[in-house]
Amino acid sequence: GAVVSQHPSWVICKSGTSVKIECRSLDFQATTMFWYRQFPKQSLMLMATSNEGSKATYEQGVEKDKFLINHASLTLSTLTVTSAHPEDSSFYICSARDARLAGGPGANVLTFGAGSRLTVL
Amino acid sequence: DAKTTQPPSMDCAEGRAANLPCNHSTISGNEYVYWYRQIHSQGPQYIIHGLKNNETNEMASLIITEDRKSSTLILPHATLRDTAVYYCIVSDAYNFNKFYFGSGTKLNVKP
Repeated sequence: GAVVSQHPSWVICKSGTSVKIECRSLDFQATTMFWYRQFPKQSLMLMATSNEGSKATYEQGVEKDKFLINHASLTLSTLTVTSAHPEDSSFYICSARDARLAGGPGANVLTFGAGSRLTVL
Repeated sequence: DAKTTQPPSMDCAEGRAANLPCNHSTISGNEYVYWYRQIHSQGPQYIIHGLKNNETNEMASLIITEDRKSSTLILPHATLRDTAVYYCIVSDAYNFNKFYFGSGTKLNVKP
């Protein structure tokens, strides 16, 4: 089945530094990837939609200069948290849509990564 | 924004069927119902999806009412490993709409 690899699975950094999280589709091409963040005991909140070769679309209230998203290839999207602060500490999860399923009823079935837990000190 | 309503939590005895309801009274004709689950501190896992007919796979069954305003996810023989938060999502299957998660149902499977 489709697999999405997310790296790193956890990271601790100092306030003011930048952190990059990678999301890779291992056995399929993903024209669209989504980035979510999740605080403890809360649901997933959509941050942005990443389309290969174009600029990401950010949800209202998400700072695009703070959370840089790059989707340079059909198998890789990255999220960079710039100048991280303790309030950015969260669980970040990516998901990918299999391009092979486009146009069919399975087009919206998403495969999720295992998540990346960011702790900013 | 999420367009579904689910109970915040449910309990189920191990080995018994778990029936998780979802209300989606504003669902439109092109929208499918998707179910995912999230085991603690992991990424969500796809379970099943359907349009209007009942669906079954190796994980679960999905029962959608005739008016499509509600659905039920059935885990026929719940195990302790099925303890998770279950999310019901409606989305247009063909137009690559965004996936918004609601609050989900925390299923507690007890021995």
